Amino acid sequence: DAGVTQSPTHLIKTRGQHVTLRCSPISGHKSVSWYQQVLGQGPQFIFQYYEKEERGRGNFPDRFSARQFPNYSSELNVNALLLGDSALYLCASSFSGAREKLFFGSGTQLSVL
Amino acid sequence: GENVEQHPSTLSVQEGDSAVIKCTYSDSASNYFPWYKQELGKRPQLIIDIRSNVGEKKDQRIAVTLNKTAKHFSLHITETQPEDSAVYFCAASTNQFYFGTGTSLTVIP
Repeated sequence: DAGVTQSPTHLIKTRGQHVTLRCSPISGHKSVSWYQQVLGQGPQFIFQYYEKEERGRGNFPDRFSARQFPNYSSELNVNALLLGDSALYLCASSFSGAREKLFFGSGTQLSVL
Repeated sequence: GENVEQHPSTLSVQEGDSAVIKCTYSDSASNYFPWYKQELGKRPQLIIDIRSNVGEKKDQRIAVTLNKTAKHFSLHITETQPEDSAVYFCAASTNQFYFGTGTSLTVIP
């Protein structure tokens, strides 16, 4: 059984550019959430989606957006990249998303130069 | 929103000793408290979790305790082994998950 998969694994962008990160949840899981993990810190909640609807949004600027597709995969988009957006972006899936075990992907390491 | 604080940020123990990591949370509506282990360069993995209707849960060498009144919960690892060395994160959840800042545990052989 495949786990949560994320692509790409690494990405280098320059300031002002746009980036799209992708996530495929575990089969049968309907909820996907996104986290930003800066080196030495815990994951910070960005978005949660369930059945293609946004269920929650963390304290991130409008440059961050996301969506979930009918097959439950998800994309995280970040516009107008800043140096401070450099981080590991983690995707996690769960069956329904609320108060249950999260399964994390290996993440996308984004470097903004 | 929820605020989760975690202590200590670093912890070194001798192999065979116990390790304790503590977290506090602010939102009394939080009712699910997982602990994740993250080895260098790898994804966080759930090691144990507890719900608010339970005060303690144990799984072999790992245990978690929850004090809802004081809004704190702790991870206890007994008989530590070098492979326990990693960063540990606590989290509190209502509808979303809020993570602590992590504890880097080093088990010295």
